Order: sequence, then C-alpha cells, then structure tokens
Amino acid sequence: GESVGLHLPTLSVQEGDNSIINCAYSNSASDYFIWYKQESGKGPQFIIDIRSNMDKRQGQRVTVLLNKTVKHLSLQIAATQPGDSAVYFCAESIQGGSEKLVFGKGTKLTVNP
Amino acid sequence: DTEVTQTPKHLVMGMTNKKSLKCEQHMGHRAMYWYKQKAKKPPELMFVYSYEKLSINESVPSRFSPECPNSSLLNLHLHALQPEDSALYLCASSSFDRGSGNTIYFGEGSWLTVV
Repeated sequence: GESVGLHLPTLSVQEGDNSIINCAYSNSASDYFIWYKQESGKGPQFIIDIRSNMDKRQGQRVTVLLNKTVKHLSLQIAATQPGDSAVYFCAESIQGGSEKLVFGKGTKLTVNP
Repeated sequence: DTEVTQTPKHLVMGMTNKKSLKCEQHMGHRAMYWYKQKAKKPPELMFVYSYEKLSINESVPSRFSPECPNSSLLNLHLHALQPEDSALYLCASSSFDRGSGNTIYFGEGSWLTVV
C-alpha cells in the first residue's frame, strides 16, 4: 500500500559536515517526491522535489537522489549549518492521480556547533 | 516565507465550544488541504478541496467540518471536540497541475488545545 518510511529517526552532525537523510517508500506507483523541512513550531517548508524520470536533482546546498529499483530516496545537505536543524520529512504522491501526499515518519537533524 | 496564511495561530477551546480555523492563499492555487499533526508525528491528511469542491475526506469525524467559500479561502469549523483533537492543524495549497507535479505549500499552522 501507500507508505513512506525512514531508516533513522534522528541524525546528529557537526557544523560544516555533509548530512544524508534517507527515506524508503513502498508504493511503486509513486512518481513524485518532495522533501520538507519543519522547524519547531512552524509548518513544513518545501525544500526540493524530484520526479521519477530523474535520478538526481540539485538545489542550493541540497541534492535529492532517487533509486527506483530499491524504492529509496535521500536528501543530502552540504556544509550543514545550525539553521539546518529541524525535522525532515519525505513525501510521495502520484502525478495525474490523487491529490494525496503521503508523508514519511520524519528524521530529526541536529547540527552541533 | 509561506504564502499560506492561517489564523488564529493559537486556539484554546472547551469541549462544548464552536470555533473555526481560517486559511487564505493568494497564489491562484486550485487545491487546498487540511492536515492534522500531532507532536513528533508526520502530518496526516484530513480534507482536500479541488476547485472549491470537497474531493477527499479521510474519514474525519463530523465534529470537524470544512468549508471552502472561494478559491482563496478554506475554513475548518470545530464543534464538540475532544482533548485528543489537540494538535497542530495545517492548511496547505497546491496548483494541482497534474502535468508538473503536485507541490503542496503549507501555512504555519494553528495550534489547537481542547480543554
């Protein structure tokens, strides 16, 4: 069925290091994926998205990788900063299908100075 | 900054009260959403409006009543809630362009406490 999960619930990194947040999804029909960042007390903030016809997409300091073979998604943050500390959610949906967006459990990223 | 505006930011209500949460977007989006988020959990979909019509109701109890007065506004009417309904209620919108992906943009949420 439709479900999105994460391998690790928490991640702690040193400032300046690169961070990798992973996500597994189970619905092979999902073809559109989004990463959101949610800071404490705020709503989810769009970071980057990727469609299933792509393997990689880069933004400012962030890269999303998609491996459809093993249904795996990852978010890489370069030169992690204290302001990157937040909970990160991956989410999946089906283009041309339902308006539903299914969220994964979330990973809490803590950046140590 | 989000372009989805929610009011109030905080709401405390009794179990017999009637209150409403309001949401507004001016991005021309044609789909609007209500999500519920409990602490340390991901957002869970409640309702979806597409072109001002209710398209998805995720089996939400009738004590939650959504309303979409026009394409820019979305309300959530609350009545006879339970303490377990206390949560962050998130409004979101999307262009619902099936050709380019359905990126959903969220507001900052309304923190609801039922006493």
